[in-house]
Parts: sequence; structure tokens; C-alpha cells
Amino acid sequence: EPEVTQTPSHQVTQMGQEVILRCVPISNHLYFYWYRQILGQKVEFLVSFYNNEISEKSEIFDDQFSVERPDGSNFTLKIRSTKLEDSAMYFCASSVQHHWSYEQYFGPGTRLTVT
Amino acid sequence: AQSVAQPEDQVNVAEGNPLTVKCTYSVSGNPYLFWYVQYPNRGLQFLLKYITGDNLVKGSYGFEAEFNKSQTSFHLKKPSALVSDSALYFCAVRGNTPLVFGKGTRLSVIA
Repeated sequence: EPEVTQTPSHQVTQMGQEVILRCVPISNHLYFYWYRQILGQKVEFLVSFYNNEISEKSEIFDDQFSVERPDGSNFTLKIRSTKLEDSAMYFCASSVQHHWSYEQYFGPGTRLTVT
Repeated sequence: AQSVAQPEDQVNVAEGNPLTVKCTYSVSGNPYLFWYVQYPNRGLQFLLKYITGDNLVKGSYGFEAEFNKSQTSFHLKKPSALVSDSALYFCAVRGNTPLVFGKGTRLSVIA
């Protein structure tokens, strides 16, 4: 069964550094998402991406964040200058159609630790 | 504002007994409701959804959920629990803002 993959599984970085989290969505999916889950808290929506542009974003997704689909398979989340409070599990997801009624398929996550 | 409440952090049930994991929501407009399950070191896996139509929806692994508009609830149920159902369960809702998740309920099925 096809699945969403994410790399790395764990990333440790120093405050102020840039990080890029990578995701490979399911190949025939068209709609991509990033979520984060701070330890012990809810899963929070960050951004959705369709047709090479951001469809929706939350207030968490400020100017420090950016997303890109640099080629036909990868989908990346960049944090320009990490802060301690960016430490979280980051999940990538994809769905087959451009509509919220379609279920999303999640990757296993990247645990980001900012020291 | 859109919100989801899962009032129980932990649900314990004996194997073979029925299980219920509760979820209530608050949303503007008609909701899209979802249940996801998370096993250790895995991403969230889709279980079932309610978009429109029959209030009782059936999903993967024998799970079902009932949409109750008057009580704004979408409780997850299974007639007979298995030890392998032990995991973290998330309810999520989409109204007029992106998907909002509950904080999760840890289900423990005891043999």
C-alpha cells in the first residue's frame, strides 16, 4: 500500500538555524499539508498546498515558515530561523483530491528538537 | 471558533467488550468529521469520516461512528475490542476553517 514518507525521522538543530523537513507524498495525490504536534498537545494545522501554491495557512505559519514542491515528488517545509518553541513533531499529509472532504494520509513524522 | 473535545484522556476496556471513544465538536456550518488512529512511531491513519448522508458510518477494522447533530457528537464505537486496537485515537472536524484535531484519547484494550 502506498504511503507518505518523511525524512529525517529526528532532527536536532540549534536555535537560529534553518531546517528543511522533507516529505514524499503518495504519487497520485494532489493536495499536501503540514501539521505539527508539540509534545502533549493537539495536532495543529500549519498549511495546505495545491497546484504549486499555498491554499490555506494557519496563524502559526508565519514568515519563518515556507513550503515548496521542488520537483515532482518532494514536498518540503523550511523553518528559516528556528526557535525553541518550534520543537515538535511535524507531520506531512496528502490527499487525492483538492477538497477537505477527502481523507488525508499522514507520514510518520519528523521530530524536531531545537536546542 | 471551531473546536473538538475528546473528554477522556484514557479509555480502558477488556478484550471482547464494546468500546466507545467520545468526541464532541463545535463548528459553523455543516461539519466534515473524521477519526484517525495513531500507533507508536507511525503517522495518523484514517479510520472513517462523516460528510453527509447516513448518520452511522462504518470504517476500517470494524469501527463505526454515529453523527448526532443535536448533541454535536461523533463518538467512535466498536462492538468487540481487540488488544490490537490499543492506540491513540484522534477526532477531527472541518467546518469553515482547516482541520482541527482533538487532543486524542489513548485506548488500552486489556486481554
